[in-house]
Formats: sequence, C-alpha cells, structure tokens
Amino acid sequence: GEDVEQSLFLSVREGDSSVINCTYTDSSSTYLYWYKQEPGAGLQLLTYIFSNMDMKQDQRLTVLLNKKDKHLSLRIADTQTGDSAIYFCAEKGTGRRALTFGSGTRLQVQP
Amino acid sequence: DAGVTQSPTHLIKTRGQQVTLRCSPKSGHDTVSWYQQALGQGPQFIFQYYEEEERQRGNFPDRFSGHQFPNYSSELNVNALLLGDSALYLCASTTIKVAVDTIYFGEGSWLTVV
Repeated sequence: GEDVEQSLFLSVREGDSSVINCTYTDSSSTYLYWYKQEPGAGLQLLTYIFSNMDMKQDQRLTVLLNKKDKHLSLRIADTQTGDSAIYFCAEKGTGRRALTFGSGTRLQVQP
Repeated sequence: DAGVTQSPTHLIKTRGQQVTLRCSPKSGHDTVSWYQQALGQGPQFIFQYYEEEERQRGNFPDRFSGHQFPNYSSELNVNALLLGDSALYLCASTTIKVAVDTIYFGEGSWLTVV
C-alpha cells in the first residue's frame, strides 16, 4: 500500500532556512501536498506540487520533487518563530480520492 | 470567502453512545472527505462523499457512516463509541470541476470518549 515517511523533529534558529523532507512509495502519486498544523488547530494548506513538476516556489516556500527517488522537500526561507508547528507531507495517487499522510515533522524555531 | 467549517469544535461522549459531526465545505466545493487524526499521528482517511454518495472508503468499520446533503454539507456519524475513537475529526473539501486538486481542511472536531 501507499506509505509516506517523514523525520519526526527539526530544530532551527530564527532567520535560518528550514528543510523538511518526505519520502513516499506510490509511483502513481499525482499530487503532493504540504500542510501546517499549529497546536489544537486543523490543517492549513501551504502548497502543493503536481508530479510532472520538479520545483515550485511560493514566497518563502520552495518545494523540490525528485520523482525518481520519490523524495519531496519543503524549504522555508528566513524561518520565523511563527513557523513553529507540525508539517505534514501528503500524497494522492491516480484514481484515488484519499490523501495519504506522513506522521508529521515538528519544527521548532529557536529565537 | 468562507473556508471549511466544522461543528462542534469539542465534545465529550460516553462509551457506547453515538455522535454526529457536521461539515460545510468551502464555497464552490462539492466534494467532502472525512479524516481521523489520533494524537501524535497523521490524519487517516475515513471516506469521501460526492453527489450525495460515498465514493471511496478507508479502513474504518461500519460504525462510521456519513451523509452528504444537496447543499454539499456533510455529516459523520459514529455509533457504539469506543475509547479508541477519541481523536480530532477533520473535514476536507475540494471540487472535481477544476484541473488542480486543491484540498482544504477545517479546524476539526475534537471528540473525547470516556
């Protein structure tokens, strides 16, 4: 079945760049998403990338996709304390209606 | 533009009881999915509704059922509640009418079963 893996924790200093990594197993993945979840809240869609792209930039966010290695990353430039949250990678495959999520990466930003 | 709205935000139920959670999709969306997020885990897909029918279902027992109304809003019902049903229940909406599949989530309903 489909599987998505993420590292559990990342700590960075304010102003540095953060890179959160994700690997997935489904070669039919068509869309890959990044969501942010703050404590006690729902999921906020940050960005997404279609599988025929290898990079997408949106303000401070850069998504890189290596389809051959099934590896996705989210880079946050100039990380701020307000970026502290859990970040989820999710994928959706051809013909499937469900998102498959990783377990989330907790980003801690040190002032 | 209203996003995905869910109610109630928090509720406490007793084992064996039944619960109904509600969701209104983002304006312009016609497809609603429900997810369960246990503490410390990623969300797990329960099912998806489109045109008032269940279109796909995840690995959840029949105690979990749903409904979609003509105005695209949806309900999730859970019968015979177990302690393990305690979780954040998230509603997601999208539409199949556009090429790009952007999926938005609500703030969720926190269910505690005691």
